[in-house]
Amino acid sequence: QLQLQESGPGLVKPSETLSLTCSVSGGSIYRSSYYWGWIRQPPGKGLEWIGTIYSTGTTYYTPSLKSRVSISVDTSKNQFSLNLSSVTAADTAVYYCARHNGRGFYYFDSWGQGTLVTVSA
Amino acid sequence: EIVLTQSPGTLSLSPGERATLSCRATQSVSNNYLAWYQQLPGQAPRLLIYGASTRATGIPDRFSGSGSGTDFTLIINTLEPEDFAVYYCHQYGNSPLTFGGGTKVEIK
Repeated sequence: QLQLQESGPGLVKPSETLSLTCSVSGGSIYRSSYYWGWIRQPPGKGLEWIGTIYSTGTTYYTPSLKSRVSISVDTSKNQFSLNLSSVTAADTAVYYCARHNGRGFYYFDSWGQGTLVTVSA
Repeated sequence: EIVLTQSPGTLSLSPGERATLSCRATQSVSNNYLAWYQQLPGQAPRLLIYGASTRATGIPDRFSGSGSGTDFTLIINTLEPEDFAVYYCHQYGNSPLTFGGGTKVEIK
């Protein structure tokens, strides 16, 4: 059974870079043809897609965050990562990693449990 | 960018009643690539419906989705206690992928 687990610091200072990793178990990022994404949810608010990566390293980002976001994949560790630079309080959110269904840019069928990242001095 | 507007914001119903949730898009969703998720407090979203009307694996048949183009509906027949949650629609037909603001189904 596929499982995704986010990890990283729960507290980041303003202007610094938020870095999270998603560890995938029960399936191979490299051998599969799936796309893998990051979504965030500010406290008490809705969901926002951040970006997506394919095993080859091809990435797709939401325009509003594109200048600050970088997503990478480490197939040897079966992980993919999120970097968000120059963070402010508005970046405080629960960050989820998830798998797109099928061999394309489809809906999310498996999610990690999420990790809260607070931006504060 | 396709903006999804969900209504109502909150739905107050009793167990056993029927819930009707709406999701309206600012432009036509390609291939009706519209999904619905349920989110319980403190949990990750759970996929309910994809392709506007196809139930995901293990989802009870009291959940049904319909619609096309710009107007989509999620119906929950005979609400069970575990159905009181927040529901989000999500379009994946056009980039950037977007989500609706959510409808909270609460116990009346």
